[in-house]
Amino acid sequence: DGGITQSPKYLFRKEGQNVTLSCEQNLNHDAMYWYRQDPGQGLRLIYYSQIVNDFQKGDIAEGYSVSREKKESFPLTVTSAQKNPTAFYLCASSIGVSQPQHFGDGTRLSIL
Amino acid sequence: GEDVEQSLFLSVREGDSSVINCTYTDSSSTYLYWYKQEPGAGLQLLTYIFSNMDMKQDQRLTVLLNKKDKHLSLRIADTQTGDSAIYFCAESNRETSYDKVIFGPGTSLSVIP
Repeated sequence: DGGITQSPKYLFRKEGQNVTLSCEQNLNHDAMYWYRQDPGQGLRLIYYSQIVNDFQKGDIAEGYSVSREKKESFPLTVTSAQKNPTAFYLCASSIGVSQPQHFGDGTRLSIL
Repeated sequence: GEDVEQSLFLSVREGDSSVINCTYTDSSSTYLYWYKQEPGAGLQLLTYIFSNMDMKQDQRLTVLLNKKDKHLSLRIADTQTGDSAIYFCAESNRETSYDKVIFGPGTSLSVIP
């Protein structure tokens, strides 16, 4: 079945540590996105990528980094510079930037 | 700036119709979406409507769009307990080369058996 796979489902970060969240899609979609969801709030865009080897900052990119070396993969690194990383992180993809986005099941990141 | 608003909670009895409302501010929206999120899961695309349409029906779901008032609604007929979830309204609008999607805060639907 085609879809978007995020791993791990739960992740814990220690102080000063960088962690990387995985997002893989086998939908042959060009565009991929990372969102952050906090309780009672909508989704906020962290980074997006319209095509391989290209990505752009979203509304809350500070403290995060991404890469897009392959069409299928768009990993997100939460760096130690992100002082409030506890949240639910959602990855999405779409055929193109003007098409509906489809989401993975999310990764919940907590601080130890 | 762009903004999407929804009421945060809705409670209905099983078998009744649910109507979830949404207002948005950007008149240059291209698509408007409804997503469903169950606990601990990602967002599931339920349906979407192009901004030049007034209505779209898909089985138990009916989407109504009033462009003049910038109002979008989602009606779920014969609501079931499995419909209990958070429903997000979202709009996309052209921002340079990227259709930015703005999400509302979500409406938590509780279905009472």
